[in-house]
Amino acid sequence: DTEVTQTPKHLVMGMTNKKSLKCEQHMGHRAMYWYKQKAKKPPELMFVYSYEKLSINESVPSRFSPECPNSSLLNLHLHALQPEDSALYLCASSQLASDNEQFFGPGTRLTVL
Amino acid sequence: GENVEQHPSTLSVQEGDSAVIKCTYSDSASNYFPWYKQELGKRPQLIIDIRSNVGEKKDQRIAVTLNKTAKHFSLHITETQPEDSAVYFCAAIEGNNYGQNFVFGPGTRLSVLP
Repeated sequence: DTEVTQTPKHLVMGMTNKKSLKCEQHMGHRAMYWYKQKAKKPPELMFVYSYEKLSINESVPSRFSPECPNSSLLNLHLHALQPEDSALYLCASSQLASDNEQFFGPGTRLTVL
Repeated sequence: GENVEQHPSTLSVQEGDSAVIKCTYSDSASNYFPWYKQELGKRPQLIIDIRSNVGEKKDQRIAVTLNKTAKHFSLHITETQPEDSAVYFCAAIEGNNYGQNFVFGPGTRLSVLP
């Protein structure tokens, strides 16, 4: 299996809702990532997990809460989001060495009303 | 931290012509330089990458060159086809044993006109 999967594909939520995005990979990768991508912009790194521990947090607001329950799963918990948080949220995974490809999931398109 | 610039932001070529996209990076410690293609509504997909111990790499119609001294790398697509139309992102890696920090360039929108 050489794919990263993400659910849901689309999500619409209000500013008071709590929702979660899910990501899964079965390639044995020990690094997993969350990116945010706005229209016509490059992906922006949010979080990096290595060996299921948070290793990089790019100053992301606390309304985004990542979780890595095991080496195959990565979640992003959302609470009290703002309309400007509407974007495509991409998950990726890679081997830990610095010169390896990151494999991206298809993304979750999030709309905050 | 790493900073990646990319030019041009848009590029239109006739089918069959070549396309060249250039990126510069700031951190001399960066050692991995991937290129991703992203079609509308789809995920970024790796099309070619180059590591810092190599100056050039080719895969069929696609090639990448790296000049470490000047800190720039370029994507070359020959014999372009309409299906090459997409946004292309270069990236440089701030890598360590705790995972990679990909820093992406702003992207180039390539249009191949039939």
